[in-house]
Amino acid sequence: DARVTQTPRHKVTEMGQEVTMRCQPILGHNTVFWYRQTMMQGLELLAYFRNRAPLDDSGMPKDRFSAEMPDATLATLKIQPSEPRDSAVYFCASGLVLNHPTDTQYFGPGTRLTVL
Amino acid sequence: QKEVEQNSGPLSVPEGAIASLNCTYSDRGSQSFFWYRQYSGKSPELIMFIYSNGDKEDGRFTAQLNKASQYVSLLIRDSQPSDSATYLCAVKGGDNYGQNFVFGPGTRLSVLP
Repeated sequence: DARVTQTPRHKVTEMGQEVTMRCQPILGHNTVFWYRQTMMQGLELLAYFRNRAPLDDSGMPKDRFSAEMPDATLATLKIQPSEPRDSAVYFCASGLVLNHPTDTQYFGPGTRLTVL
Repeated sequence: QKEVEQNSGPLSVPEGAIASLNCTYSDRGSQSFFWYRQYSGKSPELIMFIYSNGDKEDGRFTAQLNKASQYVSLLIRDSQPSDSATYLCAVKGGDNYGQNFVFGPGTRLSVLP
């Protein structure tokens, strides 16, 4: 049963600390998305990669957030320094995107981040 | 104007009834439409997608698309308490979206036993 995996599942940290979240996409998928979900803002797209190349990170605060995909099996989202307003659930999703109407994406279990 | 709109709910229906969830979108060039279900504390789970006008049925779920009205809906027949969740509408394609998926805020459904 192919699934997107994310680590850690929960993270509590103090303001100013660096946070790194990891995602393993489903094998064979060519696109990885990073989302943030809060009660107030809902599900927001932060960045996405196609064939490991960043295509759009306009939703990401550039001064403190960075996203990378060092290889096809690993995507990372880093926050440095973290702030209390970064507290949210961060989801990774992956999909096989071929520019067809049936392209879809599948979500990982998320990382619940709390910044004190 | 928000790009993808949904009634936030909660929408309450009795067990066994039909639940109707609605979604409107602003980009007329949108190509594909998705419904995700999200239980509290869990990740969104794909229920179904539709990209042609009309109805598409999958078990107790029916997606309806009307591109002229920029409207997509999800009907859940014989609603069960286990259907209680937040339902997210997502839209893909169109000039404004590219190949991104744009999600609505979600509608919270409560099925009462």
